[in-house]
Parts: sequence; C-alpha cells; structure tokens
Amino acid sequence: NAGVTQTPKFQVLKTGQSMTLQCAQDMNHEYMSWYRQDPGMGLRLIHYSVGAGITDQGEVPNGYNVSRSTTEDFPLRLLSAAPSQTSVYFCASSPQGRVPQHFGDGTRLSIL
Amino acid sequence: GQNIDQPTEMTATEGAIVQINCTYQTSGFNGLFWYQQHAGEAPTFLSYNVLDGLEEKGRFSSFLSRSKGYSYLLLKELQMKDSASYLCAVNGGSTLGRLYFGRGTQLTVWP
Repeated sequence: NAGVTQTPKFQVLKTGQSMTLQCAQDMNHEYMSWYRQDPGMGLRLIHYSVGAGITDQGEVPNGYNVSRSTTEDFPLRLLSAAPSQTSVYFCASSPQGRVPQHFGDGTRLSIL
Repeated sequence: GQNIDQPTEMTATEGAIVQINCTYQTSGFNGLFWYQQHAGEAPTFLSYNVLDGLEEKGRFSSFLSRSKGYSYLLLKELQMKDSASYLCAVNGGSTLGRLYFGRGTQLTVWP
C-alpha cells in the first residue's frame, strides 16, 4: 500500500517553462487536493477535487491547472513557471470530507 | 473570509507540558484537525475535533469550543522528538473536506 505518491521529489525549472507535478493514490479516496507551502505562510489550497471529473479552485489557483480523469490520479500543471511559484507542493487525499487527509511526501520546486 | 490564528513559535523543556492555541473564524465548520510536521517532511495527522470537548490520544490531547472558535493541542511529557511545527486546520466553508490551515506553530523542545 503506497498511500499518496508524488513525483518528482525535486525539480528546477526556468521561468516560462511548463511542467506537470504528478499525484497518485491507491486508497480509492474520493477527495484529493493540492497545497503549496511557503515559509511563514502555512499550507495554502491551490485546487481540489471531490471525485473523478470534478475539480474546483482553492485559495491560490492562478497559474495552475488540474484535471481528475480517474479516481487515482490528480496532476497539477504549471502553465508558465514564474519565480513566485518556487515552493514545496503537497498532494493530499481522503475518503471523504470529515476524515483526516493523507499527505504525499511533497515536491520541492525551484523556478529560476 | 477564513482566518486561522496560532502562535508562531513556542519553546518548552523535555518532560514538561505545552499548550498550543488556535482560534478560527470561518464561514462554516465541519471539524478541526491538528497535524504535526517535522522539518522537510509531510504533515501527519494528530487529532480531530468536531464536537465540543476534549479528545485524548496518548500524550496528545485536543480541545474544541465551537462557540468561542477556539481549540488547543496539549502535549504532555514532552520529548525531543516533539520538536516540530504543529498545524491547526479547519474544515470550513461550504465544501466538505476543504481545509483552511493556520501558519503553524514551531515548537522547540530543549533538553
């Protein structure tokens, strides 16, 4: 049972490049979400999904896209990377809303 | 808007008791979570309160007062390994499962 798997663990991009952060869970969880964590800012919600085919914006969605074609996968796309998107990105999942979310190990992203 | 407040830093001595407070103002409430996060690692779940009162789990307890918009995490018999950031998160707003996080309280435990 792998839980929530995020790839890659580290990535360096140049300004303007695009990339996709992968998130997969093998627990058949309906609810998945993406957060970014910056020093002194706590975890901020980027996008979330309550089930396959359903996504919605969180607090800081600008510059990011998501899709949820399957229950297992919830990729996060950076359309045109900017230095302000340098952060640690966490993906999380839970069976439904009232139970704890399980977090992946994070992706550390640097944009030069 | 949603607002979650907790102290930025706290220090304590090994073996002592520490209480980390969290106050919140959200448009809805479906429960409050506490997470622990060691440096460079992912948050891990500690406790969950949805009704008023105290929830105890080993050395860790969490209290909730919904009328006051207040919670605390109580850590007893502190150990060096408890040095970490403690995150308060409210399941609030109109979407069940959507978490609003505080900025975290960095706890340092001294020998």
